Amino acid sequence: QVQLQESGPGLVKPSETLSLTCTVSGGSISSYYWSWIRQPPGKGLEWIGYIYYSGSTNYNPSLKSRVTISVDTSKNQFSLKLSSVTAADTAVYYCARDSSEVLEGGDIVATNTFDYWGQGTLVTVSS
Amino acid sequence: EIVLTQSPATLSLSPGERATLSCRASQSVSSYLAWYQQKPGQAPRLLIYDASNRATGIPARFSGSGSGTDFTLTISSLEPEDFAVYYCQQRSNWPSTFGQGTRLEIK
Repeated sequence: QVQLQESGPGLVKPSETLSLTCTVSGGSISSYYWSWIRQPPGKGLEWIGYIYYSGSTNYNPSLKSRVTISVDTSKNQFSLKLSSVTAADTAVYYCARDSSEVLEGGDIVATNTFDYWGQGTLVTVSS
Repeated sequence: EIVLTQSPATLSLSPGERATLSCRASQSVSSYLAWYQQKPGQAPRLLIYDASNRATGIPARFSGSGSGTDFTLTISSLEPEDFAVYYCQQRSNWPSTFGQGTRLEIK
């Protein structure tokens, strides 16, 4: 059973960089896409971006200028950095596995359907 | 960006009743729509993908239908554990977006 666990500071100061790590257990990080999704308190869900184990990424245009997602396959982890944060970035941050689809030629593509999620971690932006 | 509008915002029903939740897209998303269930303090859980396919381990009382711009999640007979918030999500257009949610509460 695949499990995901987010870790990182719960409090970040305005204008600084939010950094979170997601550790994947019960399965390899290889051959799947992995996403970050956030949820402001009492609000809906926003997809932030994804990474493939090879390192290729794609980001939500609304956050693209501030987001970096990276992967460490040796540790079965992937990470999120969000720069220049403001109070509007206060949210529960989830990491999630993309169900990923294998095409006929063997290529694997992201489906943007999320079948495993971490429990989420609340990050508050405040001085 | 595609906007998903869910209705109603809140649905009050009793266990054993049938629940019908709606999701309308601002433009066609074909069948690329998923439904998630979220309970307080928990992560969302995938219920339905590609409009009508149940995810692994999801009970048969959950079903999805629709295509284009109008979609429905139906829970045939509500169990106590089904009272939660439900979100739809489209993956047809970049970036993927979620609806604002429907809260299913006990009447």
